[in-house]
Amino acid sequence: GAVVSQHPSRVICKSGTSVKIECRSLDFQATTMFWYRQFPKKSLMLMATSNEGSKATYEQGVEKDKFLINHASLTLSTLTVTSAHPEDSSFYICSARGEGYEQYFGPGTRLTVT
Amino acid sequence: AQSVSQHNHHVILSEAASLELGCNYSYGGTVNLFWYVQYPGQHLQLLLKYFSGDPLVKGIKGFEAEFIKSKFSFNLRKPSVQWSDTAEYFCAVIPYSSASKIIFGSGTRLSIRP
Repeated sequence: GAVVSQHPSRVICKSGTSVKIECRSLDFQATTMFWYRQFPKKSLMLMATSNEGSKATYEQGVEKDKFLINHASLTLSTLTVTSAHPEDSSFYICSARGEGYEQYFGPGTRLTVT
Repeated sequence: AQSVSQHNHHVILSEAASLELGCNYSYGGTVNLFWYVQYPGQHLQLLLKYFSGDPLVKGIKGFEAEFIKSKFSFNLRKPSVQWSDTAEYFCAVIPYSSASKIIFGSGTRLSIRP
């Protein structure tokens, strides 16, 4: 099946700094990528939908200035958490969709803000 | 509100027991349906999916699910579970009108006693 990678897998940063998370589709071109946040023992919450070459569409309640998304190519989308705070600590997961409806999920990035 | 409901939050079974996890959705019209599994420490993996055709779909690792349109349900089943099935299971729906956004249920944690 299609493979989606995320980098880094874990990151610890200090409060007030910014962190960039990369999501790559390794063996297919992803016209659309999605970013999710997963809280402990909770389901995935969609944060935003990212289409290559255009601005991301954010879900209600997600601050676009805090969670910057860039989908610069058909194989790469990045999520930058700006001015991170401890409450931003979470598990961030991306998924990528090719030509069909199926989405392929990355392994996730554990962000800890101290 | 439109949603995906998984009524069982935590299911505990002994090995060789039969499994059925409930999933109901409240979207009208055409939907694509999925079950994902998240093993401890691993990323989301697709178990099975339903787009159209035979409402009884078979997935990996002996899992199957039945789409019952009249009941808006897509329950996951396995006749005989193994200890290695211990994981979190997520039902997910893509409503036709959602521009490919996956809506996840809250998840069901399955614990198998050896």
